[in-house]
Amino acid sequence: DIQMTQSPPSLSASVGDRVSITCRASQSIAFYLNWYQQKPGKAPKLLISTASSLHTGVPSRFSGSGSGTEFTLTISSLQPEDFATYYCQQSYTTPPTFGQGTKVEIK
Amino acid sequence: QDQLVQSGVEVKKPGASVKVSCKASGYTFTKFGISWVRQAPGQGLEWMGWISARNGNTLYAQNLQGRVTLTIDTSTSTADMELRSLRSDDTAVYYCARRRSDTLDVWGQGTTVIVSS
Repeated sequence: DIQMTQSPPSLSASVGDRVSITCRASQSIAFYLNWYQQKPGKAPKLLISTASSLHTGVPSRFSGSGSGTEFTLTISSLQPEDFATYYCQQSYTTPPTFGQGTKVEIK
Repeated sequence: QDQLVQSGVEVKKPGASVKVSCKASGYTFTKFGISWVRQAPGQGLEWMGWISARNGNTLYAQNLQGRVTLTIDTSTSTADMELRSLRSDDTAVYYCARRRSDTLDVWGQGTTVIVSS
């Protein structure tokens, strides 16, 4: 199985900050990388597909980049509603695997 | 709008089975597959398997093979997940999600399954 490793596991930031989360794959997954946001007690929501395509309705402050084994999710200006846990997921092979998550907390 | 609505909380004893339902609405059910993902308390997301809503083909996570069965009923636009021989470490929130172009773009609200003696 392909292992997905996110860093950092958690971070503290203020409203308005620029935040970046990294996801590394144990082997090349081309651009088959998705990002999800999950708030406590809620189901995950798709943010970005194929590394950089913003899902319908997702604010433009979210962006994704990368290919191969290294990927980045960036929030350009953190908003109060963005405090959540973010997961990357590879869809290159079966089984699809998730990173362990990055919790974004209020500083 | 496109949505998936899951069945309610389940409490089971070790060794029992549980069946969780996921009803789709707002889109043509047979156009997309359904994946199942679970999340143990305080933990990350674990893919369990996938079923094609078009022809019922399935893929299962290796660690659950033999204990999990995914089925669909196109007449009711419902997908079911049955997990057998429950153990305490099966305690989790179970999600169904629509698989579209290698993403999980619509999720159910989750079903809590508690396994306890």
